[in-house]
Amino acid sequence: GQNIDQPTEMTATEGAIVQINCTYQTSGFNGLFWYQQHAGEAPTFLSYNVLDGLEEKGRFSSFLSRSKGYSYLLLKELQMKDSASYLCAVVDSNYQLIWGAGTKLIIKP
Amino acid sequence: IAGITQAPTSQILAAGRRMTLRCTQDMRHNAMYWYRQDLGLGLRLIHYSNTAGTTGKGEVPDGYSVSRANTDDFPLTLASAVPSQTSVYFCASSDAAGANVLTFGAGSRLTVL
Repeated sequence: GQNIDQPTEMTATEGAIVQINCTYQTSGFNGLFWYQQHAGEAPTFLSYNVLDGLEEKGRFSSFLSRSKGYSYLLLKELQMKDSASYLCAVVDSNYQLIWGAGTKLIIKP
Repeated sequence: IAGITQAPTSQILAAGRRMTLRCTQDMRHNAMYWYRQDLGLGLRLIHYSNTAGTTGKGEVPDGYSVSRANTDDFPLTLASAVPSQTSVYFCASSDAAGANVLTFGAGSRLTVL
């Protein structure tokens, strides 16, 4: 079966750095997405990785290792507004999106 | 403002009733999707449409139907609602099917009693 694993919840301090991991086992791989979802709102696109390595976009970076079936989202200089759920999703061989359950990130002052 | 509009925002429904969730996009996206989101689970695809006039079944299609008469509209119908269909429903669209960024609507919270 296809599976995406993420931690259910993480807590971090304002101004710090946090890394949210995502491991996957899917039938084929055509890319990995990270979305942010604030409570009661719609998911919004953060990043897309299809090749190994680190993609940096401001305070957010996303890393992919296809051989390890592993990705992480790195958030720097955490702000209170970063409190949200972070969803990992993999595009499988049929170009279907397989979603993880999401990681709820709690930022404390 | 370009985007996706869903209606209603929230609805309480008696079991056995018919319900249609509306979804309209103004981005001229070819592909549209309906997901449900339940606590502790990832987004699950109900139905999708790669282009106007075509639809397909997702991971959890039972009890739901869709139509795609034109590019902009993609309504989701529950023919006879059951309590297990209590969920938050998100409509999404992308320029094309495949590994493309999804734009989501604000969601419709449905409670079936």
